[in-house]
Amino acid sequence: SYELTQPPSVSVSPGQTARITCSGDALPKKYAYWYQQKSGQAPVLVIYDDSKRPSGIPERFSGSTSGTMATLTISGAQVEDEADYYCYSTDSSGNHRVFGGGTKLTVL
Amino acid sequence: EVQLVESGGGLVQPGGSLRLSCAASGFTFSSSEMNWVRQAPGKGLQWVSYISASGDTIYYADSVKGRFTISRDNAKNSLYLQMNSLRAEDTAVYYCAREQPAGEFDYWGQGTLVTVSS
Repeated sequence: SYELTQPPSVSVSPGQTARITCSGDALPKKYAYWYQQKSGQAPVLVIYDDSKRPSGIPERFSGSTSGTMATLTISGAQVEDEADYYCYSTDSSGNHRVFGGGTKLTVL
Repeated sequence: EVQLVESGGGLVQPGGSLRLSCAASGFTFSSSEMNWVRQAPGKGLQWVSYISASGDTIYYADSVKGRFTISRDNAKNSLYLQMNSLRAEDTAVYYCAREQPAGEFDYWGQGTLVTVSS
C-alpha cells in the first residue's frame, strides 16, 4: 500500500525557520496537503494543492514540492506553532487517501 | 457555520459491532464528498473510508475493508460508518471530514472515541 514518509520530529528556536518534509512516489503527480493538529484538537488544514494557503492561515506557512518530496516551511516559527503536522495525499490512482506518519514540531 | 458532529462511539468487545454517525449542517451535504479518518491513542491520523456525494463511489483502507461500511443519507444530512468484527487495533478517535473537489479536507468534526476491549 502507498506510504508517505515524514521525520518523527523537528525542533527549532522561536523565530527560526522550520522545514518538515514528506516523501512519496506519487507526489510528482498528486497534490500534497498539510494539516496542523494541536493536542486534543481536530486537525486544521494549513496548506492545500502543494502550496496554497487557506484563508486565516498566517503567511509564515508555505508549501513546496520537488520531485517525490513535499515540504512545509514555517518561516519565523512561533511558540504557538508547536503541534503535530501531517502531510496528506492520494495514491497514483487517486482512490486511496493516505496520511504521513506525522511530525512533532517543537519550538523552544 | 459548517458543523460536523460525530456520535455513536463507546466501549465494545472484540468481535462486536458499532455504528457511528456524523450530523452535518451549515453546507449543502448532498453535494459534498465525505470521509472517515481515525486516530489511535497517541498515534497519527489514518484515513478509513471515502464516499462520493451521491454515495455511488466508495473506497476503504485495506485495514478495514470487508469489516466497515460507509454510507450516507442525504435527506438527513448524515454520514455513517458501520463497524463490524471490531478488533483492539480499531480503538481510536473517529473523525468525519468534508472533502473539497480539489481534494483537501476542509472541515472536521471533533471526533468520537471507539474503544475495543474485553
